Amino acid sequence: QQQVKQSPQSLIVQKGGISIINCAYENTAFDYFPWYQQFPGKGPALLIAIRPDVSEKKEGRFTISFNKSAKQFSLHIMDSQPGDSATYFCAASKRAAGNKLTFGGGTRVLVKP
Amino acid sequence: EAGVTQSPTHLIKTRGQQATLRCSPISGHTSVYWYQQALGLGLQFLLWYDEGEERNRGNFPPRFSGRQFPNYSSELNVNALELEDSALYLCASSWGVRESQETQYFGPGTRLLVL
Repeated sequence: QQQVKQSPQSLIVQKGGISIINCAYENTAFDYFPWYQQFPGKGPALLIAIRPDVSEKKEGRFTISFNKSAKQFSLHIMDSQPGDSATYFCAASKRAAGNKLTFGGGTRVLVKP
Repeated sequence: EAGVTQSPTHLIKTRGQQATLRCSPISGHTSVYWYQQALGLGLQFLLWYDEGEERNRGNFPPRFSGRQFPNYSSELNVNALELEDSALYLCASSWGVRESQETQYFGPGTRLLVL
């Protein structure tokens, strides 16, 4: 059972454009929603995270929007740069389950110069 | 501050052999998580250790096992290797449930190839 669905699988954006990645979850017990960035041959690195009591969180060019009623959250990358080309994973966890992460399938982002 | 370290970076084994992967968490972190990243299957939770105890495991057969040492480092063992065990194995650490800190920091992974 895939509890976190991520879309699109891949996306191409021009330099300076906005990248938008969407995730939907099923388990309403999830209480922590991080986004990770992964470059080829590297481990995932935490980008930004949000809790369900907040509807939006911004850190630099990265913004998470969270819609609790729709059970959806999204990552917006503003002013996309070639260095942002990577695979992005959304995830969800719940403290009651020891915070093990359930990941979305990943989105490969390519930023063209 | 040193990050999560894993060894070896690459491991080549043949079917039926055993593989041992190692992980050192960030200093002060007591929780260690193991994930498998196989082609086409995404990132899947394998095991969680906290304070030396196995706290949870994912949907993997018993031939995937591990342990956590008193210094909080951890070892993942995979017995009777199968071709489909070929994957990147990632270790992550966090402060632990006691500290109510959810953030997990990942290591660079061990690439296991089973021939």
